[in-house]
Amino acid sequence: DAKTTQPTSMDCAEGRAANLPCNHSTISGNEYVYWYRQIHSQGPQYIIHGLKNNETNEMASLIITEDRKSSTLILPHATLRDTAVYYCIVRGGSNYKLTFGKGTLLTVNP
Amino acid sequence: GAVVSQHPSWVICKSGTSVKIECRSLDFQATTMFWYRQFPKQSLMLMATSNEGSKATYEQGVEKDKFLINHASLTLSTLTVTSAHPEDSSFYICSAGTRTGAIPTNEKLFFGSGTQLSVL
Repeated sequence: DAKTTQPTSMDCAEGRAANLPCNHSTISGNEYVYWYRQIHSQGPQYIIHGLKNNETNEMASLIITEDRKSSTLILPHATLRDTAVYYCIVRGGSNYKLTFGKGTLLTVNP
Repeated sequence: GAVVSQHPSWVICKSGTSVKIECRSLDFQATTMFWYRQFPKQSLMLMATSNEGSKATYEQGVEKDKFLINHASLTLSTLTVTSAHPEDSSFYICSAGTRTGAIPTNEKLFFGSGTQLSVL
């Protein structure tokens, strides 16, 4: 019962922006979009989350479409250390669990 | 960000023994903690949700008598794998949040570094 759809893998050149898309067409009005990433053999790391407005922090930017059916995570200047599996998760309302899909394996190449 | 400490990082045990994994929130009080399991090259699978002072809620297919969860304080939850067998070998990860009540708040969930369990 995955609620998000992400590409299986993406590549990005070091120093360039990485744009990771996510579709969540069935999102409810009170559900947030969360992004986490997992580097091999580590626990997931929180990146950013948002409801409907675009968000930015020291790690990334989150762009949510006006209809909220999709979003894009932007890493402005990708480094080799950003190579990881990135998970887009919808959570909120009565859905308090953080349920992980398969995510996107982002590989940053030198 | 908030820190969640998970211990041990790895453990090797003999089949039939029990293993306890601890998850601590170091700088915040965690009313809710989640336990996940991850097999190689797969995504995280939610096992159970523990709420401080009450019984854990297990996901479908997870044996509650085999995976004992205790959340006795606002900063500590433990997962005990009882009578471990080789098929229980996996990467176990905890997550802690500060949700109160039935409706989740606009909160971040923070994860421990994980425990690699190998059962011989």
